[in-house]
Amino acid sequence: EIVLTQSPATLSLSPGERATLSCRASQSVRNYLAWYQQKPGQSPRLLIYDASNRATGIPARFSGSGSGTDFTLTISSLEPEDFAVYYCQQRSNWPLTFGGGTRVEIK
Amino acid sequence: EVQLVESGGGLVQPGGSLRLSCTASGFTFSSYWMSWVRQAPGKGLEWVANIKQDGSGNYYVDSVKGRFTISRDNARNSLYLQMNSLRAEDTAVYYCARVPAAAAPGTFDIWGQGTMVTVSS
Repeated sequence: EIVLTQSPATLSLSPGERATLSCRASQSVRNYLAWYQQKPGQSPRLLIYDASNRATGIPARFSGSGSGTDFTLTISSLEPEDFAVYYCQQRSNWPLTFGGGTRVEIK
Repeated sequence: EVQLVESGGGLVQPGGSLRLSCTASGFTFSSYWMSWVRQAPGKGLEWVANIKQDGSGNYYVDSVKGRFTISRDNARNSLYLQMNSLRAEDTAVYYCARVPAAAAPGTFDIWGQGTMVTVSS
């Protein structure tokens, strides 16, 4: 099973600041990594697929990078609605796995 | 509007059974892999099961193999999860999710609102 480790667990930032979230895989997942956003009481929303492709309707301030074992989700300038929990997820190997999440909170 | 609506959750005793349903609308259901993903209270996301477009291939996380069965009825635009021998650790919100063709077997681009399953005596 591929383990995805997200860091930091919590990121405390102010609106307008840049957020950098990390996801590290226990073995290569090539570029088969996605990022999701989840707000309290809501279903997850796909942000990025295959490491760097924005999903439909996702603002340009969200970007993804990386390949192999190290990946990054960057939010260039935090909007109030961006404070949420973010998960990475790999589709390279069965079982499909998620990281433990990074909470982006208002400082 | 593309939509997934789950139903069938509830309270069940340990060892009991439950069948979840997910009804799809706004897209050609038979063209997509489909999945179930769960989230225990206050915890992260866990993939549970996938099924191919025609139902020919099913995949499961080890913790549910032999207890859960994923199935679909393309004529009814419906996805199912039959859950048997339920345990307390199966308590979670269960989400139905769509897998886009280019991202098979598992990136989830559309999610339902979820249905809560509670396993407790």
